[in-house]
Amino acid sequence: DGGITQSPKYLFRKEGQNVTLSCEQNLNHDAMYWYRQDPGQGLRLIYYSQIVNDFQKGDIAEGYSVSREKKESFPLTVTSAQKNPTAFYLCASSTDRGGTEAFFGQGTRLTVV
Amino acid sequence: GESVGLHLPTLSVQEGDNSIINCAYSNSASDYFIWYKQESGKGPQFIIDIRSNMDKRQGQRVTVLLNKTVKHLSLQIAATQPGDSAVYFCAENIANDYKLSFGAGTTVTVRA
Repeated sequence: DGGITQSPKYLFRKEGQNVTLSCEQNLNHDAMYWYRQDPGQGLRLIYYSQIVNDFQKGDIAEGYSVSREKKESFPLTVTSAQKNPTAFYLCASSTDRGGTEAFFGQGTRLTVV
Repeated sequence: GESVGLHLPTLSVQEGDNSIINCAYSNSASDYFIWYKQESGKGPQFIIDIRSNMDKRQGQRVTVLLNKTVKHLSLQIAATQPGDSAVYFCAENIANDYKLSFGAGTTVTVRA
């Protein structure tokens, strides 16, 4: 089946450690996105990528990093510089430059312990 | 600043009744709007979309209305069912911009 796969579903991290969240899509989409969701709030954009080897900061990029070496993959690293990393992270992809729906993965819940 | 927002954070609906979820937006350059449904612990799922050259679009049991004059978007769900219980988000997109901007969401609870 075509879709977006995020892994792992749950992730625990000790303070001071970096952690990488995986996002893979087989929809042949050019654009990919990372959003952060906190309880009772909407989705906030962390990073997005329009094409391989190119990505742009979203509204809350501080403390995060990404790479886009392959069209299918857009991993997100939560670094130790992110002061409040506990959240639900959502990856999405879309076909075109705006004006089309974004398809979401099932999310990764990151907890700092 | 310009943002997408929802009028009410929660909505309680009797099973079988119609639901109306509202959303206000302030960016006049937005020309594409989407409604998403998010169940607990899952990613958002596409419900219906509408472009700014339309004022109404219907799907299966859902209707989206767009009023550009007052920058208002609504989602109507007919004959609400228990499976409709979820958080509903509206999102806006500006032409030729990849970013989708989301509101805070409305939590819909269906009473049996």
